[in-house]
Amino acid sequence: DTAVSQTPKYLVTQMGNDKSIKCEQNLGHDTMYWYKQDSKKFLKIMFSYNNKELIINETVPNRFSPKSPDKAHLNLHINSLELGDSAVYFCASSRQGTDIQYFGAGTRLSVL
Amino acid sequence: QKEVEQDPGPLSVPEGAIVSLNCTYSNSAFQYFMWYRQYSRKGPELLMYTYSSGNKEDGRFTAQVDKSSKYISLFIRDSQPSDSATYLCAMAPSSGNTPLVFGKGTRLSVIA
Repeated sequence: DTAVSQTPKYLVTQMGNDKSIKCEQNLGHDTMYWYKQDSKKFLKIMFSYNNKELIINETVPNRFSPKSPDKAHLNLHINSLELGDSAVYFCASSRQGTDIQYFGAGTRLSVL
Repeated sequence: QKEVEQDPGPLSVPEGAIVSLNCTYSNSAFQYFMWYRQYSRKGPELLMYTYSSGNKEDGRFTAQVDKSSKYISLFIRDSQPSDSATYLCAMAPSSGNTPLVFGKGTRLSVIA
């Protein structure tokens, strides 16, 4: 059983399109995160949700909108995709009160 | 100066060597320190977790934290080809619901 699962694994799309990435965790964690890993492998936080409530929103364009329908799911919708959005997006989760985060396998987004 | 500095490598060592990986940081508020291992095309997985200064050992892996020097290390003894991966240091100022600040990762190759 995969603890943190993301879909799709690969996403190739044209500039200007709108796309969504889904994340689900079956660990019973309260907090979920979205990170972006660029071509230089630098991993940077984008958003964090705790019990469906947005608690961290780093400097990310408004085209990125996270949604948490329940505490086991955190989706990321991206409008008007740009070339610079090409990266690997990782979902992670952690239990309340800890820093130990468990990561999904990543979604490789390529914008052409 | 970036919050967390990590030499990206690549680092290439023969099987059986002792490997030393390091990170320096500038934010004295960091209290929780982690090492993640990331295999190619996979998500980061937690390897070691330490709080404040000191050493922690787990099998062939030893994590060291020197808060006075703002310096953390990961040692791998008797390195194996299966240790070949990118190692990311990560840290946080407090426990729970805080985003991790990652180093850029050091790419390690252990040659048989």
